[in-house]
Amino acid sequence: AQSVTQPDIHITVSEGASLELRCNYSYGATPYLFWYVQSPGQGLQLLLKYFSGDTLVQGIKGFEAEFKRSQSSFNLRKPSVHWSDAAEYFCAVGTSGTYKYIFGTGTRLKVLA
Amino acid sequence: NAGVTQTPKFQVLKTGQSMTLQCAQDMNHEYMSWYRQDPGMGLRLIHYSVGAGITDQGEVPNGYNVSRSTTEDFPLRLLSAAPSQTSVYFCASSYSEGLDTEAFFGQGTRLTVV
Repeated sequence: AQSVTQPDIHITVSEGASLELRCNYSYGATPYLFWYVQSPGQGLQLLLKYFSGDTLVQGIKGFEAEFKRSQSSFNLRKPSVHWSDAAEYFCAVGTSGTYKYIFGTGTRLKVLA
Repeated sequence: NAGVTQTPKFQVLKTGQSMTLQCAQDMNHEYMSWYRQDPGMGLRLIHYSVGAGITDQGEVPNGYNVSRSTTEDFPLRLLSAAPSQTSVYFCASSYSEGLDTEAFFGQGTRLTVV
């Protein structure tokens, strides 16, 4: 069955530290992968997406993600976290079935000053 | 651009009451959908529409109805609210049903059923 796993429910990092949020997917075909961010009280905003080509994808706000087919992973990274990055992050896979997107359960990021 | 607009932002209902969550988009998107977000469960698809007059069920459709009379609007109806429907509801739209199209989300409606 198609699924997306975000193993970390909560992550806390200090401002200026590097960040990596994990995402693993299960999908039979070539996946379309997305990372969304949800700030408190807001809707979801697209950070970046991967469809094909270069496996290292650049997004907004200084984020990047790397697609690793052998590991079925699409981890999100940022070299230096800012306090404004505190939010919940969702990984999603686009599917050709009914549901179009399957979302992970999210990772809530806390940034320490 | 307003993007995707949801109303209301907050709502408290009594068990058995009915209500409609409104969703409107001004981007001329064909594909619209409703999700519910519950702690530890991510977003789950309730209903979706690929164009005016066409709707279909998602992963968790029970207790909800939708209709799509115009491209812009996609209301979600709760016919008889239950405490299990306490959740945050998001409406989303995208240009097409294609997998490579970005979904734009509204700011959500926080619904509490008591």
